[in-house]
Amino acid sequence: KAGVTQTPRYLIKTRGQQVTLSCSPISGHRSVSWYQQTPGQGLQFLFEYFSETQRNKGNFPGRFSGRQFSNSRSEMNVSTLELGDSALYLCASSPLDSQETQYFGPGTRLLVL
Amino acid sequence: GENVEQHPSTLSVQEGDSAVIKCTYSDSASNYFPWYKQELGKRPQLIIDIRSNVGEKKDQRIAVTLNKTAKHFSLHITETQPEDSAVYFCAAGGSQGNLIFGKGTKLSVKP
Repeated sequence: KAGVTQTPRYLIKTRGQQVTLSCSPISGHRSVSWYQQTPGQGLQFLFEYFSETQRNKGNFPGRFSGRQFSNSRSEMNVSTLELGDSALYLCASSPLDSQETQYFGPGTRLLVL
Repeated sequence: GENVEQHPSTLSVQEGDSAVIKCTYSDSASNYFPWYKQELGKRPQLIIDIRSNVGEKKDQRIAVTLNKTAKHFSLHITETQPEDSAVYFCAAGGSQGNLIFGKGTKLSVKP
């Protein structure tokens, strides 16, 4: 099976802009989780989607949102970008539950200038 | 809120020595504890996991122990090799169904 894919891999934006990141899970996986990774902060949970519904949400402001489509592909959107949003955004998929083995994508590296 | 503390943040060992990384968690309802390895520039990959009904699990040179009473779990790597050098993350399955990660341990294995 093909692994988790994310697009784009790299992105440069300016403050105030908005951005949409895409994640395609492993075929058959229905759970997609998103994480923000910054140096020294590890992986911070953003949200998890299952069957097109947000099942869990981390402690991020409302500027961070997401959705999942019927084919399990997921997108996350960040509006009104801030310098502090610069990070590696990782998505991970698992068959049913985020408490099963999660398979990570390569990430999208976002730089906000 | 739910929290996972991971120590140490950096660890340097000689090749062949053992390495131990420890994590504590706050949510007593957690019952799934995976460990991920992230090499420089690569995605995190699962190396071992343990569930709350098991106290210890081994896979070749890697072992994980779990103490639910104390709410801590540890990763043990024996006979370390240079290719073990990476950042290791522990995580705990939260009561909300999501994973809470520690901040990572950068392991350096010196030849």
